[in-house]
Amino acid sequence: NAGVTQTPKFQVLKTGQSMTLQCAQDMNHNSMYWYRQDPGMGLRLIYYSASEGTTDKGEVPNGYNVSRLNKREFSLRLESAAPSQTSVYFCASSSDSGNTIYFGEGSWLTVV
Amino acid sequence: GENVEQHPSTLSVQEGDSAVIKCTYSDSASNYFPWYKQELGKRPQLIIDIRSNVGEKKDQRIAVTLNKTAKHFSLHITETQPEDSAVYFCAASTGTGRRALTFGSGTRLQVQP
Repeated sequence: NAGVTQTPKFQVLKTGQSMTLQCAQDMNHNSMYWYRQDPGMGLRLIYYSASEGTTDKGEVPNGYNVSRLNKREFSLRLESAAPSQTSVYFCASSSDSGNTIYFGEGSWLTVV
Repeated sequence: GENVEQHPSTLSVQEGDSAVIKCTYSDSASNYFPWYKQELGKRPQLIIDIRSNVGEKKDQRIAVTLNKTAKHFSLHITETQPEDSAVYFCAASTGTGRRALTFGSGTRLQVQP
């Protein structure tokens, strides 16, 4: 039981390049999330998916797209990376019965 | 939407002392209030949570109190130890439909041995 796994762990991109962060959970959770973490700003919600087939914008969605591929997988895509997207990205999931969120290990992304 | 404010941003205590971190929230419909601990370079992990029908909850050396009237909740750590040093985040959610947490900006706790 791995919980929430995300890849890659580290990535350096050039401005304008695209990439996809992958996330999968094995807890049979319905809800999945992408957060970004910047110094002094806590964790801010980018996108979330309340269930398979649905996605909704969070607090900071600009510059990102998501895909809920199936119940297990929720990917985050940067179409044209910008230095302002340098951050640590956390994927997370939760069940419907409560609101406890379980996080992946994080992906450190640097855009130069 | 929900707004969560957390204070202080940094807190230094001596080993064995108590530490208190406070959060306020804006959405009176919020009914779930977890606290996460994040060690350097690691993922946030849930340490304790409280729901709106409860005023206080304890788990060994940590406790959380909730005042729904004033819309604030606090984390209390007693008999602090060096391994308590980390960043602590409070969060709140309404638990309806969206089920996404809104986080505070974090408190860096340093326990001096």
